[in-house]
Amino acid sequence: EVQLVESGGGLVKPGGSLRLSCAASGFTFSDYNMNWVRQAPGKGLEWVSSISSSGTYIYYADSLKGRFTISRDNAKNSLYLQMNSLRVEDTAVYYCASSWTGNNWFDPWGQGTLVTVSS
Amino acid sequence: DIVMTQSPDSLAVSLGERATINCKSSQSVLYSSKNYLAWYQQKPGQPPKLLIYWASTRESGVPDRFSGSGSGTDFTLTISSLQAEDVAVYYCQQYYSTPPMYTFGQGTKLEIK
Repeated sequence: EVQLVESGGGLVKPGGSLRLSCAASGFTFSDYNMNWVRQAPGKGLEWVSSISSSGTYIYYADSLKGRFTISRDNAKNSLYLQMNSLRVEDTAVYYCASSWTGNNWFDPWGQGTLVTVSS
Repeated sequence: DIVMTQSPDSLAVSLGERATINCKSSQSVLYSSKNYLAWYQQKPGQPPKLLIYWASTRESGVPDRFSGSGSGTDFTLTISSLQAEDVAVYYCQQYYSTPPMYTFGQGTKLEIK
């Protein structure tokens, strides 16, 4: 069964840092591009970042302004999101999702991990 | 960035009736005869689920009452006969942008009338 499981969310103060992880199983992780998408409470979906299957190509939403770093470890079937200088507006459920080069719809998605930025 | 705008923001339809959700992109997402447009369904407390890609190709396992249409900048998701389990928020997404700057519509909340 294809599965993505996020972890690492929690409560953090403004200006703090957090590292999210996404563990993949049930498919050849190294063949797929990976993505982070977030959803603020009661709001819509916002694409955050993408990384190619080999990790060579990395893209971010302009709104992040260099505060987030995406990475992956294909040997560990894992995706990461390092989030620094967190702001209240970064509060959201963060989902990881896979995609395929040239067919960049997102499927499947993990269940998400909640990040709350509050003093 | 390509802006995706859905209409309406919310919709109430009777069971067994047709539901139609529209999605408009700020620029064409058509390239080489393919429309780089996907639709997702999100039920409360769940992650989004892929319904349709290439604007009109149904994902495996998705009931055939769901269909996608449109080309260029204007797209439609149609549920031909609404079932209770279709209550959800629906999102369109473009995956046309290069370099990737994927964007979603704001979502359409579908309820039972």
